Amino acid sequence: AQSVTQPDIHITVSEGASLELRCNYSYGATPYLFWYVQSPGQGLQLLLKYFSGDTLVQGIKGFEAEFKRSQSSFNLRKPSVHWSDAAEYFCAVGAGSSASKIIFGSGTRLSIRP
Amino acid sequence: DTAVSQTPKYLVTQMGNDKSIKCEQNLGHDTMYWYKQDSKKFLKIMFSYNNKELIINETVPNRFSPKSPDKAHLNLHINSLELGDSAVYFCASSQVGTTEAFFGQGTRLTVV
Repeated sequence: AQSVTQPDIHITVSEGASLELRCNYSYGATPYLFWYVQSPGQGLQLLLKYFSGDTLVQGIKGFEAEFKRSQSSFNLRKPSVHWSDAAEYFCAVGAGSSASKIIFGSGTRLSIRP
Repeated sequence: DTAVSQTPKYLVTQMGNDKSIKCEQNLGHDTMYWYKQDSKKFLKIMFSYNNKELIINETVPNRFSPKSPDKAHLNLHINSLELGDSAVYFCASSQVGTTEAFFGQGTRLTVV
């Protein structure tokens, strides 16, 4: 069965420091992979997605993610975080026919230390 | 112009009541979803509709009944509300073949 694991429940980094959020997936075929961000009291916004092609994908707000098939991973990175990046981050995989549903990981809460 | 809009944003109601949450998308998408986010922030799909037809029903109690009057709307009706139904419910839409889902702002349902 398809699943997504985000091993870190909560991460705190200093403003200006680099960030890496981990994500591992389980899926039989080539996955559709996503990172979403949820700011407090808000809906989910798509940061970036991977369907095929270049394994390093660029997203909005300076985020990027790298698809590594050998490790079944799709980690999210940002070279320098800003206080406004504090939010909940969800990794997800598209599943079902035509990836008709999205399965989410349990999320990683990011806090920023001033 | 909001792409996916849900109403109401907050809903507080007593156990046993029946309530509805409305969702509308103006993106021209043909697939719409309902997701439930529990108190631990875990997001789980409940339903998926494609062109007004149900294509995914993830073992949701039959007290929950989605209704899609047209491609742009997917409403969620909940009968006999229970305490455990308290959660944030998100509506989303996507176009078949793209899988990129656009989410509404969520409806926080509190059952007391």
